[in-house]
Amino acid sequence: DAKTTQPTSMDCAEGRAANLPCNHSTISGNEYVYWYRQIHSQGPQYIIHGLKNNETNEMASLIITEDRKSSTLILPHATLRDTAVYYCIVRVGGGATNKLIFGTGTLLAVQP
Amino acid sequence: NAGVTQTPKFQVLKTGQSMTLQCAQDMNHNSMYWYRQDPGMGLRLIYYSASEGTTDKGEVPNGYNVSRLNKREFSLRLESAAPSQTSVYFCASSEGWEDEQFFGPGTRLTVL
Repeated sequence: DAKTTQPTSMDCAEGRAANLPCNHSTISGNEYVYWYRQIHSQGPQYIIHGLKNNETNEMASLIITEDRKSSTLILPHATLRDTAVYYCIVRVGGGATNKLIFGTGTLLAVQP
Repeated sequence: NAGVTQTPKFQVLKTGQSMTLQCAQDMNHNSMYWYRQDPGMGLRLIYYSASEGTTDKGEVPNGYNVSRLNKREFSLRLESAAPSQTSVYFCASSEGWEDEQFFGPGTRLTVL
């Protein structure tokens, strides 16, 4: 499985956009990029995923570079409740061997 | 819908004791998973069940056994607990193997 690299921590002002980067330079053509977050002591929560195209849902936007070696998760208007550890994960689509491999993630601290 | 439920929420064991962690989901999901999370680390997959009647090892299966009792329930058993198994255990489920995973609230286990 491709590995990901994320900053250990980031700060963001409340109401501003939070841009969380992720490098996955060894990603293969059939590997998806997934984002989950974990608010303190809770189970992780799915945010968004994509393969090649940019994706948007009610929670966030996912921007994947054309060469697919990096991506950015965007929370358009961060709130204090968005303070969490954000995990960028790549997984192979299809088959019984694909699994989520969690790294240590980015701790996003939203400041009032 | 309760989503994914786990029991117990907290447990303290002595070395050598056995116990079973229970997990149930009410979303009619096919796939279920057990993860462990140690302090400051991401989640690591212990076992998974891609569909009812099947189970497979994940990254860290040693010292654990699982049972997919039915479509709803997936239990994790520690036959002889060791201090190295002190961790937070999360159960998750997904509709299909490639779909987003929904996590339970976790079980905090301490082995003395």
